[in-house]
Amino acid sequence: KAGVTQTPRYLIKTRGQQVTLSCSPISGHRSVSWYQQTPGQGLQFLFEYFSETQRNKGNFPGRFSGRQFSNSRSEMNVSTLELGDSALYLCASSLMGDEQYFGPGTRLTVT
Amino acid sequence: DQQVKQNSPSLSVQEGRISILNCDYTNSMFDYFLWYKKYPAEGPTFLISISSIKDKNEDGRFTVFLNKSAKHLSLHIVPSQPGDSAVYFCAASGGYGQNFVFGPGTRLSVLP
Repeated sequence: KAGVTQTPRYLIKTRGQQVTLSCSPISGHRSVSWYQQTPGQGLQFLFEYFSETQRNKGNFPGRFSGRQFSNSRSEMNVSTLELGDSALYLCASSLMGDEQYFGPGTRLTVT
Repeated sequence: DQQVKQNSPSLSVQEGRISILNCDYTNSMFDYFLWYKKYPAEGPTFLISISSIKDKNEDGRFTVFLNKSAKHLSLHIVPSQPGDSAVYFCAASGGYGQNFVFGPGTRLSVLP
């Protein structure tokens, strides 16, 4: 069974721009969660989508948004990028919200 | 306000010995816990889980212990191998439909 895939793997953007990251979960998994990892921080939870509905949301500003499609693929969008948004963005899928399986992440650099 | 704490940022252990990684949590509603291992440039890999109805779960060289009264869990790796060198995260959830809260991680170095 194919694992979680994330595209792109690396991205460089300029302050003020917006970015969209994509995540394809493991086949059959209905839950997709997004996390931000920065140096010295653990994984900070952004949001979770389950069957196209946002089920949980972390403590991030409204510039961070996401959605999930009917095939469970998910996208995350960050608008008006700031330098502090530079991070590794991880997507994880699970069958029903139990054990999560992570993708390799997208490394976003904001200059 | 960290709900999940891993107070040791790093740990070094000799190959063949036991590695013990600790995790403390503050939210008494947490009842499901996971451990992950992360290598550089890769996403975290699921290792082992435990629910609050159990106090121990084993999977090969990995054993997780849960002490609910102390709000403490630990991951034991026996015997430790150089390939175990990675960052280990514990994560906690309040149950089905709840998101996971991750600790800051502990970097384990297993020395040959």
